[in-house]
Amino acid sequence: GEDVEQSLFLSVREGDSSVINCTYTDSSSTYLYWYKQEPGAGLQLLTYIFSNMDMKQDQRLTVLLNKKDKHLSLRIADTQTGDSAIYFCAERTGGSYIPTFGRGTSLIVHP
Amino acid sequence: SQTIHQWPATLVQPVGSPLSLECTVEGTSNPNLYWYRQAAGRGLQLLFYSVGIGQISSEVPQNLSASRPQDRQFILSSKKLLLSDSGFYLCAWSDYTANYGYTFGSGTRLTVV
Repeated sequence: GEDVEQSLFLSVREGDSSVINCTYTDSSSTYLYWYKQEPGAGLQLLTYIFSNMDMKQDQRLTVLLNKKDKHLSLRIADTQTGDSAIYFCAERTGGSYIPTFGRGTSLIVHP
Repeated sequence: SQTIHQWPATLVQPVGSPLSLECTVEGTSNPNLYWYRQAAGRGLQLLFYSVGIGQISSEVPQNLSASRPQDRQFILSSKKLLLSDSGFYLCAWSDYTANYGYTFGSGTRLTVV
């Protein structure tokens, strides 16, 4: 079955860039997403990328997709303390409504 | 604009009691609706999804059931709660393509005691 892997923790200094990585196993993944979850809250969609794209930029966020290696990354420029949260990678194929989520990467931003 | 409402925000229930969690979506029609549970280990487990009124797909056999009595209403129920039902329950919706992602509600923290 499909699998999505993420490292569990990432610690960065305020003002640095954060890079959160994700790998997936399903080569037919067509839609990939990044979500942010703050404590006690639901998941917030940050951005998405389609498999026919290599990169997508949205303000401080840059998503890179390497389809050959089945690797997705989320770069947050100028990381702020408000960016501290859990970040989830998710993917799905075109034939299903159902995404597969990773277990989330806890981003800790310290002064 | 579309909004999703989920309630209650927190719930403490004794073992063996019934459960009803409600989720409604506004500003769209014929959404796909989803119930997830997030345990302490952070992983998201899909419980049920629905692509239309009365159409429920169950992903995991368990002590829970779901219903969709109206187009934009999704209800998660249990007749008798177990301790293992404790967790953070999230409702979500997408359009029928789901291409542009899923919008989640704010979640219900359920503690079964």
